[in-house]
Amino acid sequence: QKEVEQNSGPLSVPEGAIASLNCTYSDRVSQSFFWYRQYSGKSPELIMSIYSNGDKEDGRFTAQLNKASQYVSLLIRDSQPSDSATYLCAVKRNSGNTPLVFGKGTRLSVIA
Amino acid sequence: EAGVTQFPSHSVIEKGQTVTLRCDPISGHDNLYWYRRVMGKEIKFLLHFVKESKQDESGMPNNRFLAERTGGTYSTLKVQPAELEDSGVYFCASSQDPGQEQQYFGPGTRLTVT
Repeated sequence: QKEVEQNSGPLSVPEGAIASLNCTYSDRVSQSFFWYRQYSGKSPELIMSIYSNGDKEDGRFTAQLNKASQYVSLLIRDSQPSDSATYLCAVKRNSGNTPLVFGKGTRLSVIA
Repeated sequence: EAGVTQFPSHSVIEKGQTVTLRCDPISGHDNLYWYRRVMGKEIKFLLHFVKESKQDESGMPNNRFLAERTGGTYSTLKVQPAELEDSGVYFCASSQDPGQEQQYFGPGTRLTVT
């Protein structure tokens, strides 16, 4: 079983729609959860972090965490073509300066 | 503020040759991480420096890989001798200490071993 699992996609949504990206993780002691966006050939860029159960909103992005189900998701409202990228889910066992464990990423395509 | 930089952006070498990758973290960041993405797989952790010391090198695949961070500034990752399975994208990331969660990633070095 992979430590962090994501559907590789591609996930295609029309412009203006809500894109829903999902991630499950296997290590129950994981403490910190992150969503990175990566454009082709570019650096992964942190867009959301979440540490406790529930929702966290930042602009058009909402991260949702359910530790009991070992599930974290990212919702992108009013999707734009510029949101087309690969979205990487990453998990850390401990807080602080410890390594990230990544999923393979989900490729999102927003169709104008 | 300059971001994390990596050099070279691409490297193509033959099996058995040596390659050295360089990472310059964000100025003042004590924590430096190396990650690797092999084609079709997820990004995987290689090792973690705190200043010039190796904090965790549990992800290093074998002794053909040598990482250094002399003086606690830039870091190098040497692969000697390179094998075909070493091909992939090598990312470097840095973060401040203490306890900053966000790791800032460089653009990566794409290594192709033929």
